[in-house]
Amino acid sequence: QKEVEQNSGPLSVPEGAIASLNCTYSDRGSQSFFWYRQYSGKSPELIMFIYSNGDKEDGRFTAQLNKASQYVSLLIRDSQPSDSATYLCAVTQRPRGGFKTIFGAGTRLFVKA
Amino acid sequence: DGGITQSPKYLFRKEGQNVTLSCEQNLNHDAMYWYRQDPGQGLRLIYYSQIVNDFQKGDIAEGYSVSREKKESFPLTVTSAQKNPTAFYLCASSIPSRTGGSYEQYFGPGTRLTVT
Repeated sequence: QKEVEQNSGPLSVPEGAIASLNCTYSDRGSQSFFWYRQYSGKSPELIMFIYSNGDKEDGRFTAQLNKASQYVSLLIRDSQPSDSATYLCAVTQRPRGGFKTIFGAGTRLFVKA
Repeated sequence: DGGITQSPKYLFRKEGQNVTLSCEQNLNHDAMYWYRQDPGQGLRLIYYSQIVNDFQKGDIAEGYSVSREKKESFPLTVTSAQKNPTAFYLCASSIPSRTGGSYEQYFGPGTRLTVT
């Protein structure tokens, strides 16, 4: 079992729809959760982070965390073609000696105009 | 402007040659990281450093070396011992989080290395 799992996609949604991206993780001790957006050929860009169970909203983005289910998701409302990218889920664990961030392989999102 | 710079953007080398990738940050971040990304895959941690003059191996350190002589700089050397060096290399840095429990990492633009 991978430590951080994402559906590779592509996930295709029409412009204006809600895109729902999901991520599961294996370590119950994971403390912090991040979503990065990566355009093709570019480096990842941090878009959301969440530490506590529940929802966190920032503009069109909502991150949802359920630690009991070891599940984190990202909702993108009013999806735009410019949202087309790969979305990486990252989870920070705290093994002895410091922090360790594990990245999922990413979900490709395609927003159709 | 604060940020992380990596140079060069594209790098071509012959097999058997060592090559050093540059990473500089002016964000005053304590921690710095090197990742490798292969097509269709997530980021894999090569090395990280939480403080000057100290660094630890990540998950795929074999064939790589680093140094951290200055807070701002964390160069990565890809040695001839690295069997499959062609990849997209990403440098990142981070600050302690507000909760004291995690790090939000910020990435440089990356260096795409091709070894033939």
